[in-house]
Amino acid sequence: NAGVMQNPRHLVRRRGQEARLRCSPMKGHSHVYWYRQLPEEGLKFMVYLQKENIIDESGMPKERFSAEFPKEGPSILRIQQVVRGDSAAYFCASSPPTSGRIETQYFGPGTRLLVL
Amino acid sequence: KQEVTQIPAALSVPEGENLVLNCSFTDSAIYNLQWFRQDPGKGLTSLLLIQSSQREQTSGRLNASLDKSSGRSTLYIAASQPGDSATYLCAVVQGAQKLVFGQGTRLTINP
Repeated sequence: NAGVMQNPRHLVRRRGQEARLRCSPMKGHSHVYWYRQLPEEGLKFMVYLQKENIIDESGMPKERFSAEFPKEGPSILRIQQVVRGDSAAYFCASSPPTSGRIETQYFGPGTRLLVL
Repeated sequence: KQEVTQIPAALSVPEGENLVLNCSFTDSAIYNLQWFRQDPGKGLTSLLLIQSSQREQTSGRLNASLDKSSGRSTLYIAASQPGDSATYLCAVVQGAQKLVFGQGTRLTINP
């Protein structure tokens, strides 16, 4: 059973371009979470998705950022018109369907985004 | 708003020593607390998860305790090894499966 997969592992963009980060959850997991780790800072929650639904996006910047988790395919975190401040490591985590309890989240290796 | 603090920010000890990493949180209404390990340029590896109703969890040389009422957790590492060098992150879950992380303790074990 492969773990959480993220690609690309490294992404370089120039200011104003778009960045698309992909996350494939573990097999059987229907919940996906995105976290951002800015340089020298801790991980911060961005968004929590289930298939075709955004459950909690309280950590997402209001502009330029969007996330989706379609019925088929990976979850996508999209950043439009990137700025230097978007340079960070973006981590995806997944968990199995809940049965009324809090499930452990399993993390991917992250995508390191560098904006020039 | 939940805030998680880890002390110290960095720690360097000789190989073989026992050590304690500290984590504190401001809101005791948590579902569980997790300790993770993060190696440079890598993802997070879950080490231990303590449910809110539990007091401690053990895995090999690692022991994590939880005192919810005082908002504290400790991670105890016995007989440290150079391979234990990494950043250790504490995180609490509060509602809707959202993890709130501390900033981590960067641990270096010197051979």
